[in-house]
Amino acid sequence: RKEVEQDPGPFNVPEGATVAFNCTYSNSASQSFFWYRQDCRKEPKLLMSVYSSGNEDGRFTAQLNRASQYISLLIRDSKLSDSATYLCVVNLESGGSNYKLTFGKGTLLTVNP
Amino acid sequence: EAGVAQSPRYKIIEKRQSVAFWCNPISGHATLYWYQQILGQGPKLLIQFQNNGVVDDSQLPKDRFSAERLKGVDSTLKIQPAKLEDSAVYLCASSRRVSSYNEQFFGPGTRLTVL
Repeated sequence: RKEVEQDPGPFNVPEGATVAFNCTYSNSASQSFFWYRQDCRKEPKLLMSVYSSGNEDGRFTAQLNRASQYISLLIRDSKLSDSATYLCVVNLESGGSNYKLTFGKGTLLTVNP
Repeated sequence: EAGVAQSPRYKIIEKRQSVAFWCNPISGHATLYWYQQILGQGPKLLIQFQNNGVVDDSQLPKDRFSAERLKGVDSTLKIQPAKLEDSAVYLCASSRRVSSYNEQFFGPGTRLTVL
């Protein structure tokens, strides 16, 4: 089983649509969770952290279910500018108080006019 | 605040040649990372430095890849000799410190093509 698995995509949605991305992780000792966004031929950038209580940032909502080892990202009222690859990222303690990020393969979203 | 700088942005070499990439992290960031991102994949950690010491190089192919971070600031990653499968984007990232909630800031990457 891969350490971080995401919906394979790609997702093509019209402007204004709601789209959800799913992610599962294999290591129950994972400490923290993130969604990064990567535009075409650009570097990844942190979109938002994911907390057990769920968190929202404008049109974006992230959820974490530790029992199911499942993470989700919901985008409401999608915009053309939301077109990007969304990377699910898990932070795991790798010994000696060191932490390592493990990235999923990413899910490509294209929002169409 | 200046971001993570990397050079060159693009490099094309033939297999068995050598290549080196340079990274300058955000000022004051103690932790520096090198990732390899193959097309269609997420970034994979190659090596992590804390100041000028290596804390994780478990996924670095040490027979051909090497990296150093002298003086705990900028860093170089070298491939010698390159193989076709090394074609990828090499991303450098930095963070203020290592923690369970550390945010990593990425540079623009070096796109390597091995022919």
